[in-house]
Formats: sequence, C-alpha cells, structure tokens
Amino acid sequence: GNSVTQMEGPVTLSEEAFLTINCTYTATGYPSLFWYVQYPGEGLQLLLKATKADDKGSNKGFEATYRKETTSFHLEKGSVQVSDSAVYFCALVVSNFGNEKLTFGTGTRLTIIP
Amino acid sequence: EAQVTQNPRYLITVTGKKLTVTCSQNMNHEYMSWYRQDPGLGLRQIYYSMNVEVTDKGDVPEGYKVSRKEKRNFPLILESPSPNQTSLYFCASSLRAGEQYFGPGTRLTVT
Repeated sequence: GNSVTQMEGPVTLSEEAFLTINCTYTATGYPSLFWYVQYPGEGLQLLLKATKADDKGSNKGFEATYRKETTSFHLEKGSVQVSDSAVYFCALVVSNFGNEKLTFGTGTRLTIIP
Repeated sequence: EAQVTQNPRYLITVTGKKLTVTCSQNMNHEYMSWYRQDPGLGLRQIYYSMNVEVTDKGDVPEGYKVSRKEKRNFPLILESPSPNQTSLYFCASSLRAGEQYFGPGTRLTVT
C-alpha cells in the first residue's frame, strides 16, 4: 500500500531560521507528491506539488524536490516568519482510475517565535 | 470565490442520534471526498465520489453514509453516531488528482 512518513513535531524555530521538515514515502505506482498547510482553525490548503522525479515544487518561499532514488520530498524554507506557524502535511496520490485519494502523513506542527 | 463550505462547523450530539454534515462546492468539480482527522493519525478518507450518483468507500467507511444527488453537494450521514466518531471532519473537492480544495472542517463530539 501507500504510506507517508514525516518527522515528528512539534518543531519550534526562531524567526528567520532555516526550516526543513522531512518526508519519505512508499507507493505502489508512480505517485504525485504534495505539501499541504493547515493554519489554526482552517482547512488544509495546497502549498506545493511535484508530479515527477526531480521536479521542484515551490510557493511562498517554500520548496521541495521529488527525489525518487531516496523516496523523499523534504520541505524547506530559507527564512521562516511568524506567519508560517501552522501544521504541515506531506501527502501523495497515485491516480487509480478515479479515486484521487490523498495519503497523508501525520502532520508536523511548526511554531515560529519572534 | 472558489470555496468548499461545510455545516455545521461545530456539533455536539449524543450516541445514536442521526446527524448530517453538509458539504457544498462552487467549482463544478466532479471529484469530492470526506476525511476525518485524528491526532497522530493524520487524515483518513471516509468516502469519495467521482461524479453524481457515483460513490465508493475509502479507508474508514464504517458507520458513515454519503450521497451525491447533485454535483455540488456531498453530505456525510451518521445514522447512529458513536463516541469513536468524535473527530474533525473535512470535505474536499478537486479538478486534478491530488490538488484538493478543503472545507473549513466540522468538529463533531459524540457523548
């Protein structure tokens, strides 16, 4: 089956620090990979995606590169802000003739302190 | 504005009292899905629908029902809620695989 493993949280960083949240996956078939973000009291929002090996997804200063050889999709940001405090979910989908089910990791809570 | 709406946002109920959580999207998406979010477990899919009148089970369908009579609506029905269905529920819709739009969530407590 498909599964996503992401680093345990919570993660607490100071403003302007460098961020890495690790994500690895197993999948039957060729997955597309995603990072979703959940701000307090809200639903999940798509942050970035990559659909094939070596693709780099980027958005709002966040980046992640699809590494097929290491089955990884680590999220990085060079300089975090207080507004980045949220829960981050790594996810994958293997298109299965209709069910576009996202398989999620357990989420990593990130807190940025001024 | 493109959005997925859910109602109610918060609900406290008692064991066995039937309830419905509504979900509606205004993006004309064919695919819709329900997830539950529990601490330490991430999000797990309950049911999904590929189009009107086409629904199927996800990973944790026990105790839930859905219907898809119109493209925009995908209600989640709990015929006889139990305390283990206390959770945070999300509805989502998508145009492309994996790029899902999520509703704001419904926090359900069953006592």
